[in-house]
Amino acid sequence: GAGVSQTPSNKVTEKGKYVELRCDPISGHTALYWYRQSLGQGPEFLIYFQGTGAADDSGLPNDRFFAVRPEGSVSTLKIQRTERGDSAVYLCASSLMGTSGGNEQFFGPGTRLTVL
Amino acid sequence: GQQLNQSPQSMFIQEGEDVSMNCTSSSIFNTWLWYKQDPGEGPVLLIALYKAGELTSNGRLTAQFGITRKDSFLNISASIPSDVGIYFCAGLLGGATNKLIFGTGTLLAVQP
Repeated sequence: GAGVSQTPSNKVTEKGKYVELRCDPISGHTALYWYRQSLGQGPEFLIYFQGTGAADDSGLPNDRFFAVRPEGSVSTLKIQRTERGDSAVYLCASSLMGTSGGNEQFFGPGTRLTVL
Repeated sequence: GQQLNQSPQSMFIQEGEDVSMNCTSSSIFNTWLWYKQDPGEGPVLLIALYKAGELTSNGRLTAQFGITRKDSFLNISASIPSDVGIYFCAGLLGGATNKLIFGTGTLLAVQP
């Protein structure tokens, strides 16, 4: 079946602009995660959804970052007033359930965001 | 952000050699996952470990969940050129959060 998909694959924007990044999880996966990966580092957690609600948003760096998952499937990560430091690869992952058992997280290809 | 200590940082080996890498943490994890990432791609799950002491294989890959629950290692036997990539460990704290804490990564280069 289809894996996690993310659009766009690349996004170039100017400092101060607003961007939206989209994630389509694996069908039937109730848990969805956003991570951010800077060059040469491992992914860092941003936010985790269980169904429609954000169960843990402790990784969002500041209030310019916001994410939604209104119908419990597709999620959108929104970044306001982008800064050059926001440049990174934004990864989305999904898992079948949000408990410790069976919590294998499967990642999409990522969206490479470049803020000029 | 928090990242796990992963070593070695990079490895340059000949095809056919065995490889070993490990990950350590000051925190106890309920789950350890190992991923491989190719350039321009997302991480691909290789092995998942759920119990302390668990030893799990996936083809030429073998991984173990440390007894203390603070470490894990990954072995690759008889390496081949397509094993090239960056390998990441990731620990799941469990409880109310399902976030993964990733290691710093091991870059593997295999010379034919």
